[in-house]
Amino acid sequence: QKEVEQDPGPLSVPEGAIVSLNCTYSNSAFQYFMWYRQYSRKGPELLMYTYSSGNKEDGRFTAQVDKSSKYISLFIRDSQPSDSATYLCAMWSTGNQFYFGTGTSLTVIP
Amino acid sequence: GAGVSQTPSNKVTEKGKYVELRCDPISGHTALYWYRQSLGQGPEFLIYFQGTGAADDSGLPNDRFFAVRPEGSVSTLKIQRTERGDSAVYLCASSGGDTQYFGPGTRLTVL
Repeated sequence: QKEVEQDPGPLSVPEGAIVSLNCTYSNSAFQYFMWYRQYSRKGPELLMYTYSSGNKEDGRFTAQVDKSSKYISLFIRDSQPSDSATYLCAMWSTGNQFYFGTGTSLTVIP
Repeated sequence: GAGVSQTPSNKVTEKGKYVELRCDPISGHTALYWYRQSLGQGPEFLIYFQGTGAADDSGLPNDRFFAVRPEGSVSTLKIQRTERGDSAVYLCASSGGDTQYFGPGTRLTVL
């Protein structure tokens, strides 16, 4: 079983839609949870990170962590064509390596 | 600089040649990570430095791959006797604590 599972998509939505991206994981020791956005031919860009369970909101983006279910989500409200990218979830515990999902490809259609 | 930088941005080499990829982390970040990313995949962990020492090199695929960070800042990933299967984007990231920040990557093509 992989440490982190992420549906690769692709996901295609109309502009203005709410997008939900999800990852599941197996290691209950993970403490930090991150979402990265990666445009084509670019390095991953940190979008949001949370520590332990709970919600975090930043503009149109909301990250949720449910440690009891080992499930994390990223919601994008009022999606824009500029949100079209691959979204990677990542997680780690102190002193260890980071584990990444395979990424979900998102296209927002104008 | 403000972010992680990597050089070169692109490297084309022939099978069997030796290559070096360089990473310049964010100033003050003690942790540095190397990853390899193939098309349609997430970053695959290679090696992690804490200061000058390799804290975890379990992701290096074989002994053709080696990385150094002699002064605890800049790191070099070295690949000997390159093979076509080594073609990928090599990403570097640095961390000062809670999370990590990536460079733009080096796209390696082995012909």
